[in-house]
Amino acid sequence: DAGVIQSPRHEVTEMGQEVTLRCKPISGHNSLFWYRQTMMRGLELLIYFNNNVPIDDSGMPEDRFSAKMPNASFSTLKIQPSEPRDSAVYFCASSSEPYIGYTFGSGTRLTVV
Amino acid sequence: KQEVTQIPAALSVPEGENLVLNCSFTDSAIYNLQWFRQDPGKGLTSLLLIQSSQREQTSGRLNASLDKSSGRSTLYIAASQPGDSATYLCAVRRGGLTGGGNKLTFGTGTQLKVEL
Repeated sequence: DAGVIQSPRHEVTEMGQEVTLRCKPISGHNSLFWYRQTMMRGLELLIYFNNNVPIDDSGMPEDRFSAKMPNASFSTLKIQPSEPRDSAVYFCASSSEPYIGYTFGSGTRLTVV
Repeated sequence: KQEVTQIPAALSVPEGENLVLNCSFTDSAIYNLQWFRQDPGKGLTSLLLIQSSQREQTSGRLNASLDKSSGRSTLYIAASQPGDSATYLCAVRRGGLTGGGNKLTFGTGTQLKVEL
């Protein structure tokens, strides 16, 4: 298995532009998580899905952020419009039940200028 | 709200030394605890997972212990090597599928440097 695959690895965009981050979880995993990592706040859970259904989106900072999981093998995190304070590394992770732990993707480093 | 703290924030040791990283959590009602390693600019790699009913887990030179009642876990690294240099994070899962879901709350991390 190739693990959790995220794209792009790096994204530089101008303030106000729309940004879409993509994630392919491990096949057979039924939970998917989006995290954001910054120096100031560490790792923060944004949203997670179970069986493609959003379970907890309380970590989504504001309405500019949205996430979808149209099927078991794909999820997107969209920021529209983007702002400089959104600059961070965004990680996707997946897990299954019985639980044997999380598997993280390599992350997308987002820079909004 | 669960809070996870790791001490120290940074640690520098000479090669070959045994060391202990600490993790504490405020809510002892956890389902399990997981230790991760993060190399600079990379994602997180899972090291050890301890279920709430377990006291410790071992993998090679790594040993993780869990004292749920006191809200503490330690990661012991034996005979440290320069390749162990990374940031180590602990994370707790609160509940099962019906007990708060399987989201993790992460600690702030310990940045370890093992010097030659």
